[in-house]
Amino acid sequence: DIQMTQSPSSLSASVGDRVTITCRASQNIGTSLNWYQQKSGKAPNLLIYAASILQSGVPSRFSGSGSGTDFTLIINSLHPEDFATYYCQQSYNSPPISFGPGTRVDVK
Amino acid sequence: QVQLQESGPGLVKPSETLSLTCSVSGGSISDYYWIWIRQPPGQGLEWIGYSYFTGSTNYNPSLKSRVSISVDTSKNLFSLKVTSVTAADTAVYYCARALVNAFGGPDAFDLWGQGTRVTVSS
Repeated sequence: DIQMTQSPSSLSASVGDRVTITCRASQNIGTSLNWYQQKSGKAPNLLIYAASILQSGVPSRFSGSGSGTDFTLIINSLHPEDFATYYCQQSYNSPPISFGPGTRVDVK
Repeated sequence: QVQLQESGPGLVKPSETLSLTCSVSGGSISDYYWIWIRQPPGQGLEWIGYSYFTGSTNYNPSLKSRVSISVDTSKNLFSLKVTSVTAADTAVYYCARALVNAFGGPDAFDLWGQGTRVTVSS
């Protein structure tokens, strides 16, 4: 099974900050990595798929990069609506599909 | 646009069977994977399993002995059953749609239902 880890588990940031979240897979998954945003009490929302492709309707301040085992989600100039929890998910090897444990972004 | 809506009882007794349905409106159930995910209170996301629209399924090994997912193309819905539930099955249950990846398996989950809270308690 492929294990996913994320760092940090939480971070505090201010509006306008640049935020970087890292996701690591326990084995090579190519670019089969997706990122989701989950706001409190809501369903997750797909932000980026195939490691770097922005889902339709997602603001361009979100970007993703990486391949193999190491991946990064960057939020340029954090907006108030970006305070949320972010999850990575691998879609390379199924089953099982696996998610990272999440990174919570809250207000500094 | 396509929307997903979960439905089912919010309270299930221990040892009984949890049954949920996800209705797909505004689009066809064909040509996609249909997924169930859950999130225990205060925790992260756990993939439960999926079914292709043809009925081909795969389940999380940790739940495989208790879970079944089925697709009803005539009614444009898919369903989840979890047998012999315990308090550990208390969670928000989400249905979702997955695109098909280059290997023919499920890819990113591009559409989600709003989620339904299920509590296991006597």
